[in-house]
Amino acid sequence: EVQLVESGGGLIQPGGSLRLSCAASGFTVRNNYMSWVRQAPGKGLEWVSIFYSGGATYYADSVKGRFTISRDNSKNTLYLQMNSLRAEDTAVYYCARGRSVGSCCQFYSWGQGTVVTVSS
Amino acid sequence: DIQMTQSPSTLSASVGDRVTITCRASQSISTWLAWYQQKPGKAPKLLIYETSSLESGVPSRFSGSGSGTEFTLTISSLQPDDFATYYCQQYDSYWTFGQGTRVEIK
Repeated sequence: EVQLVESGGGLIQPGGSLRLSCAASGFTVRNNYMSWVRQAPGKGLEWVSIFYSGGATYYADSVKGRFTISRDNSKNTLYLQMNSLRAEDTAVYYCARGRSVGSCCQFYSWGQGTVVTVSS
Repeated sequence: DIQMTQSPSTLSASVGDRVTITCRASQSISTWLAWYQQKPGKAPKLLIYETSSLESGVPSRFSGSGSGTEFTLTISSLQPDDFATYYCQQYDSYWTFGQGTRVEIK
């Protein structure tokens, strides 16, 4: 069974750092397109970052230079290192598995999300 | 950046109604559009990809159409389980979601 389990969220002060983890089971992270999508309280979905199976990474302008996506193939886990956090980064962060059919990607498997709250 | 605009923001409907949600892209995205359903406190669920392809396990009352800049999601006969928020997402250039359409009970 395919499963994505996020962890690492919490309450952090502005300017602080946090690392989110997404442990995958039932498939191999390195062979898939893996992404982070966030949702601020009461708001819509916002794409954050993606890690292509081939190794390329992309970021939304709102997090570029502050967030870093990575993966540990031995642990079959995706990460999101978040630095210089701001109040506007407060959100539920979802890990999602992407599928490329002609173009990358639609997101067809999602974790349950982990909550990040940036506040003093 | 490609912007996605959904309408309406909220839709009130009854069980059995035919429901249509529109999604407009700020520039052509060919047919690289997906639709998701999200219920409160839950992760989004993929319903449709590449404008009109139904994801496995999704009921056939859901359908999608369009191309270029205008797209629609149609629910042919609204069921109690369908009251939720729906998002479109383009994947032609990077990835952008619409702001969502909440389908509520009339």
